[in-house]
Amino acid sequence: DAGVIQSPRHEVTEMGQEVTLRCKPISGHNSLFWYRQTMMRGLELLIYFNNNVPIDDSGMPEDRFSAKMPNASFSTLKIQPSEPRDSAVYFCASSLVASKGEEQYFGPGTRLTVT
Amino acid sequence: AQSVAQPEDQVNVAEGNPLTVKCTYSVSGNPYLFWYVQYPNRGLQFLLKYITGDNLVKGSYGFEAEFNKSQTSFHLKKPSALVSDSALYFCAVRGYNNAGNMLTFGGGTRLMVKP
Repeated sequence: DAGVIQSPRHEVTEMGQEVTLRCKPISGHNSLFWYRQTMMRGLELLIYFNNNVPIDDSGMPEDRFSAKMPNASFSTLKIQPSEPRDSAVYFCASSLVASKGEEQYFGPGTRLTVT
Repeated sequence: AQSVAQPEDQVNVAEGNPLTVKCTYSVSGNPYLFWYVQYPNRGLQFLLKYITGDNLVKGSYGFEAEFNKSQTSFHLKKPSALVSDSALYFCAVRGYNNAGNMLTFGGGTRLMVKP
């Protein structure tokens, strides 16, 4: 298996532009998580889905952030409009939801820089 | 609510010496506990987990962790450190009574192994 796939790996954009991050979970996994990692705040859970349905989005910073999971093999995280404080590494992770003992598998991350 | 504390921002150890990275947790009911490692510019990689059973759990790369219920701890250990073990280590917890399957991560501990 190729693991969790994220694209792009790096994104540099100007303030005010729309940014879309993409994630393909491991085939067969039915939970998907979006995290953000910064030096100041560490690793933060933004939102997670079970069976394509958003379960908890309390970590989404504000209305500029939105996430979708139209099918079991694809999810997007969109920031519109982007701001410099959104600069971070964004990780997608997936796991099986059937058992709470299942570990999450992380993608390589997207490094976002907003200038 | 569930939480994880990693009291040390950084741990320094000489190559060949034993290492310990500390983790304590707070959760309602029985815990599921995890350790992850993050190398520079990479996603988090699963190392090991405690679900139930033997309190000493063995994982990848020679790492092990000991679950101590009375002290609510899950310290990561390795008998002989390697320079290549230098990385950022995260402890995570999920409560058995947690209706969802989200993990709560600690702030991370940077392990530096010096030759």
